[in-house]
Amino acid sequence: DAGVTQSPTHLIKTRGQQVTLRCSPKSGHDTVSWYQQALGQGPQFIFQYYEEEERQRGNFPDRFSGHQFPNYSSELNVNALLLGDSALYLCASSLAHAGGHIQYFGAGTRLSVL
Amino acid sequence: GQQVMQIPQYQHVQEGEDFTTYCNSSTTLSNIQWYKQRPGGHPVFLIQLVKSGEVKKQKRLTFQFGEAKKNSSLHITATQTTDVGTYFCAGQISSGSARQLTFGSGTQLTVLP
Repeated sequence: DAGVTQSPTHLIKTRGQQVTLRCSPKSGHDTVSWYQQALGQGPQFIFQYYEEEERQRGNFPDRFSGHQFPNYSSELNVNALLLGDSALYLCASSLAHAGGHIQYFGAGTRLSVL
Repeated sequence: GQQVMQIPQYQHVQEGEDFTTYCNSSTTLSNIQWYKQRPGGHPVFLIQLVKSGEVKKQKRLTFQFGEAKKNSSLHITATQTTDVGTYFCAGQISSGSARQLTFGSGTQLTVLP
């Protein structure tokens, strides 16, 4: 039973570029949430996808967008990268109708913006 | 918006000493979850508390949810080097179909052998 998988593991980009991060949820899960974790901070909620739609969004600009596919996998896109976008990006999957919405995290993608 | 504050930010203890981290929310929560992140790793779910005043134990770890469902604590008895990592609380407010978790900033635990 595969857990949450994310790709790539590391990425280096320059300011102004665009990036796409990918996530496959844990088997049987239908909801994917994306988080940004800066060094020494807790994960900050970006948005959540369920049934291929963005269900909820945190306090992030429109440069951050996403998508969920019919197989429940998801992508996070960030346009016009800024230095401040450098962080660990975590994908977490969960089951919509399970109690408590427990998050199962992937290992993350470490994004460095130069 | 909802805020979750966690203290202390850092804690160094000698192996065998106890450790406690505290979590406070600006709003009443439907539940609170605790996660552990090892250095270089990703957050791993530890436990969820739902009921007012709830106390749960996992071996040396004791979790409490406050009566007002706005605060929580994690207490580790007789720490071991395997307890090293950052402990996060995450509060959830149920609002319709939305289930957003708000994480605290975490308490980084160092255990000195």
